Amino acid sequence: EAGVVQSPRYKIIEKKQPVAFWCNPISGHNTLYWYLQNLGQGPELLIRYENEEAVDDSQLPKDRFSAERLKGVDSTLKIQPAELGDSAVYLCASSYGRSSYNEQFFGPGTRLTVL
Amino acid sequence: GDSVTQMEGPVTLSEEAFLTINCTYTATGYPSLFWYVQYPGEGLQLLLKATKADDKGSNKGFEATYRKETTSFHLEKGSVQVSDSAVYFCALSDPGAQKLVFGQGTRLTINP
Repeated sequence: EAGVVQSPRYKIIEKKQPVAFWCNPISGHNTLYWYLQNLGQGPELLIRYENEEAVDDSQLPKDRFSAERLKGVDSTLKIQPAELGDSAVYLCASSYGRSSYNEQFFGPGTRLTVL
Repeated sequence: GDSVTQMEGPVTLSEEAFLTINCTYTATGYPSLFWYVQYPGEGLQLLLKATKADDKGSNKGFEATYRKETTSFHLEKGSVQVSDSAVYFCALSDPGAQKLVFGQGTRLTINP
């Protein structure tokens, strides 16, 4: 069974440029998460989807970040414009159902460097 | 708000040593508790979990017991191997918030 797929794995951009990350969750997983992981820190939730609905986006900086999950499968996270402080690893995870007991499966992440 | 505190790393041990990584939490409800592991170049993987007080999660020789009275979920292994070298994250999931809250991670290096 394929795991959570993310692309690209690495991205280097200059500040003020836009950037987008893509995530394909495990087949059948209706809940999808985007996390931000700064160097030496644990992941922090940015947004959670249940199917195509964003049910928790309270930690998403909406002035520059946006996300979508059309058709409740793949998801895209965008930053426009990027700032130096956005350099981090962006993780996507998925789970079946929304119970707090359910295991979240993580992708390998996209490492973003903003110059 | 909910939070998780892990012992600071890095931790360096010799092969076959006993491992303890401390984890304590603060939560308003009755969370589920998890240990995730991140091997070099790979994504986070669930190592073990416990969903209620006094539950013991175990996997690959690792164990952790959900201690409500001390709000702790310490990770232990009796005899570590070089292949256990990784970053370990303690996390909780509050039923109300339905999201994982992670500690800062503990980097473990096992020397042969």
